[in-house]
Amino acid sequence: NAGVTQTPKFQVLKTGQSMTLQCAQDMNHNSMYWYRQDPGMGLRLIYYSASEGTTDKGEVPNGYNVSRLNKREFSLRLESAAPSQTSVYFCASSFQGNTIYFGEGSWLTVV
Amino acid sequence: DAKTTQPPSMDCAEGRAANLPCNHSTISGNEYVYWYRQIHSQGPQYIIHGLKNNETNEMASLIITEDRKSSTLILPHATLRDTAVYYCIVRALGNAGNMLTFGGGTRLMVKP
Repeated sequence: NAGVTQTPKFQVLKTGQSMTLQCAQDMNHNSMYWYRQDPGMGLRLIYYSASEGTTDKGEVPNGYNVSRLNKREFSLRLESAAPSQTSVYFCASSFQGNTIYFGEGSWLTVV
Repeated sequence: DAKTTQPPSMDCAEGRAANLPCNHSTISGNEYVYWYRQIHSQGPQYIIHGLKNNETNEMASLIITEDRKSSTLILPHATLRDTAVYYCIVRALGNAGNMLTFGGGTRLMVKP
C-alpha cells in the first residue's frame, strides 16, 4: 500500500516548456487534489477532482490544466511554464472529501 | 483570512510532552479540527482530527475545549523526529471542495 505516489520527484524546465506531473493513489479514494507550496508558505489548492469524471478550480488554477484519467490517477499539466510556477507540488486524495492524505511532493524549477 | 491562530514556534525537550495550542474562535458547528505536520518539505502528514470530543491515536492526543474555540495537540513523548511544522486546520467534511487552508503553523523544535 503505497498511498499517494507522484512522479517526477524533481524537474527543471525552461520558460515556455510544457510538462505533466503524474499522481496515482491506491487507497480507492474518489477525491483527488493538486496543491502547490512556495518557499516559507502554506499549501494552496490548484485543482481538485471530487470524483472520476469531474474537475474543479481551486485557489490558484491559472497556468495549469488537470486530467482525471481514472479513479486512481490525476495529472497536472503546465502548458507553458513560467518562473512563477517554480514550487513544490503535492498531490493528495481523500474518500468523500474527508481526511486528505498527501504524496511526498514534486520539486519543479522553471528557469 | 486565517481561521486558526498558532504560535509561530515552540521548543520541547526530548522525551517530554509537547503541547501545541491552537485558537479557532470562529469555528462553525460542522467543522472539524485537523492537525497535520510537515517535516522539512516532505508531504504534509495527517496526525489526528476531532469534532468536539477528545481524541487519541497512536501518534497524538487532541483536546478540544467545550466551547470548541481552541484545542491542544499533545505529543506525549516527543522525539527528535517530531521536529516539524505543525498545522491546525478547521474544515467541514463530506465535500471535496471544502478547502484545507494551511496557515503559518507552529515550528516545533525538539531538543536533546
